[in-house]
Amino acid sequence: KAGVTQTPRYLIKTRGQQVTLSCSPISGHRSVSWYQQTPGQGLQFLFEYFSETQRNKGNFPGRFSGRQFSNSRSEMNVSTLELGDSALYLCASSLSGQSNTEAFFGQGTRLTVV
Amino acid sequence: GESVGLHLPTLSVQEGDNSIINCAYSNSASDYFIWYKQESGKGPQFIIDIRSNMDKRQGQRVTVLLNKTVKHLSLQIAATQPGDSAVYFCAELSDWRFGNEKLTFGTGTRLTIIP
Repeated sequence: KAGVTQTPRYLIKTRGQQVTLSCSPISGHRSVSWYQQTPGQGLQFLFEYFSETQRNKGNFPGRFSGRQFSNSRSEMNVSTLELGDSALYLCASSLSGQSNTEAFFGQGTRLTVV
Repeated sequence: GESVGLHLPTLSVQEGDNSIINCAYSNSASDYFIWYKQESGKGPQFIIDIRSNMDKRQGQRVTVLLNKTVKHLSLQIAATQPGDSAVYFCAELSDWRFGNEKLTFGTGTRLTIIP
């Protein structure tokens, strides 16, 4: 079965622009989480969605937002891009539930802000 | 604040030897830990997990040990192979009982297997 798919794989944007990243979870998975990975800060949790609702949120500014659709696909948006937003953005999906919490990660979207 | 951290940023091991990667955590209420492997250009890949009601769990060539007294866990990889070269992260899964899973990752250890 297909894994977690993130598009695009690479993206270059200029400061002040906005960007939308997409994530298609594994079929049947209803939880989608987003993480930012940078050399300086490591892997940091952005937010988690389940059944189109944001259930958990990390410590990122309001410029970072997301949503989930009825088919569980998710998008995250970053507005007014800053140089420091350059990072690998990872999406993870899971069945979600006490008995099965294993998260499967996509390959990520490499965002470069210039 | 809560944190999950690693003792060493890099580790080099001879092929065939065993390797041990360490991780410390600060939140004594943490009760679910996961080890991930991340190869270059890929997302993290689940290796093994352990809950606080256990102190040891074994998988294929991997063993995770949890010492709740000193808030420390380790990942042991037996008979290392070149394919084991990667960055390894320990992570704490919080809020999992409520379904709001959130992973807090350590800084990672880069493991290099020397042929």
